[in-house]
Amino acid sequence: GQSLEQPSEVTAVEGAIVQINCTYQTSGFYGLSWYQQHDGGAPTFLSYNALDGLEETGRFSSFLSRSDSYGYLLLQELQMKDSASYFCAVGGNQGGKLIFGQGTELSVKP
Amino acid sequence: GAGVSQSPRYKVTKRGQDVTLRCDPISSHATLYWYQQALGQGPEFLTYFNYEAQPDKSGLPSDRFSAERPEGSISTLTIQRTEQRDSAMYRCASSLATNTEAFFGQGTRLTVV
Repeated sequence: GQSLEQPSEVTAVEGAIVQINCTYQTSGFYGLSWYQQHDGGAPTFLSYNALDGLEETGRFSSFLSRSDSYGYLLLQELQMKDSASYFCAVGGNQGGKLIFGQGTELSVKP
Repeated sequence: GAGVSQSPRYKVTKRGQDVTLRCDPISSHATLYWYQQALGQGPEFLTYFNYEAQPDKSGLPSDRFSAERPEGSISTLTIQRTEQRDSAMYRCASSLATNTEAFFGQGTRLTVV
């Protein structure tokens, strides 16, 4: 089977840096993705790691260590609009079965 | 289309009735996913399609749930003999292929009364 664990909530202040961790167990592994979801909205894609290392996209970076079954999302220069839920997701079964974690609710305070 | 479109946006149905939800994916996308999302939870996998093939439907909660994508484009999710526990947001997503960015629709909020 597949399962993912991430913290349920994180609080940080504007301008700070926050790291959201994700550990996973899968029967097959085809990459770790991150999605953002604002209240009442649809999840939107942030990043994808297929190989070990760091991927940087603007203020957001994502890291993967396949040997540790672990990844994280790093958000820098936090803004109020970053308050949202963040989900890690893994593809197994040749990537087709995309499974999501339960989400981390990020609250950014002034 | 420009994005993933789901209809209806809201559906209220009486317990025991059948409902069909529709998903119109981005036109070039081969892969289509269905998820169920409860408030404050992550999307729970139901099933996915590659074109018209349905390689995995292990997430469907019971045999009351079924999904189709007969021509590899539009998909429907049907719930027969609805129960109150079926009340949830149902989300569809599509991607060019597996292991690529998934684009989500706005979802269908189903309420079974």
